[in-house]
Amino acid sequence: GQQLNQSPQSMFIQEGEDVSMNCTSSSIFNTWLWYKQDPGEGPVLLIALYKAGELTSNGRLTAQFGITRKDSFLNISASIPSDVGIYFCAGQPYYGGSQGNLIFGKGTKLSVKP
Amino acid sequence: NAGVTQTPKFQVLKTGQSMTLQCAQDMNHEYMSWYRQDPGMGLRLIHYSVGAGITDQGEVPNGYNVSRSTTEDFPLRLLSAAPSQTSVYFCASSFGQTYGYTFGSGTRLTVV
Repeated sequence: GQQLNQSPQSMFIQEGEDVSMNCTSSSIFNTWLWYKQDPGEGPVLLIALYKAGELTSNGRLTAQFGITRKDSFLNISASIPSDVGIYFCAGQPYYGGSQGNLIFGKGTKLSVKP
Repeated sequence: NAGVTQTPKFQVLKTGQSMTLQCAQDMNHEYMSWYRQDPGMGLRLIHYSVGAGITDQGEVPNGYNVSRSTTEDFPLRLLSAAPSQTSVYFCASSFGQTYGYTFGSGTRLTVV
């Protein structure tokens, strides 16, 4: 089936650093979403993207819908301790006129540098 | 608004037992779905519903049943629990498949 490759799998951040992560696929997607999950909680929607090339911000977070429709990027500027968690990308694949269910990447785990 | 409410939060089952995980939403969302989350596997779709009376299978439906008699409720039934069903289960809802989903806080299920 469809797969999303999310990278990196994990990363360590120091307060104030900028963070980047991305999701790629071999297939075209109609929608890209970025979620954050805190321990013991469900994922919470951060940013939704609906058009190729779209660049959307939510505070210190910025996400882009890749122009090829096969990838998306999330940047976090000036990270703070509460940014720690697992970030998931999710995409809705395009099936030649019909739309499929959301597919999730395996997540990027952000931790604080020891 | 409560959003998406899942019960119970934790459950331990013996192999072969059955149970129902409850999910309710108060946002009048047409679309509801169930996911399971396993370490290193991300979120995988079990079943989904695009409206009352309509359900369909997702990526990993075996061993689970669903029904959607009302817009608000979408219960997930485990027919005969197996250790492989040990997981965290999330219910989600949205206005449609193209919109961002609202997730519940999850049910942590252990099958022994």
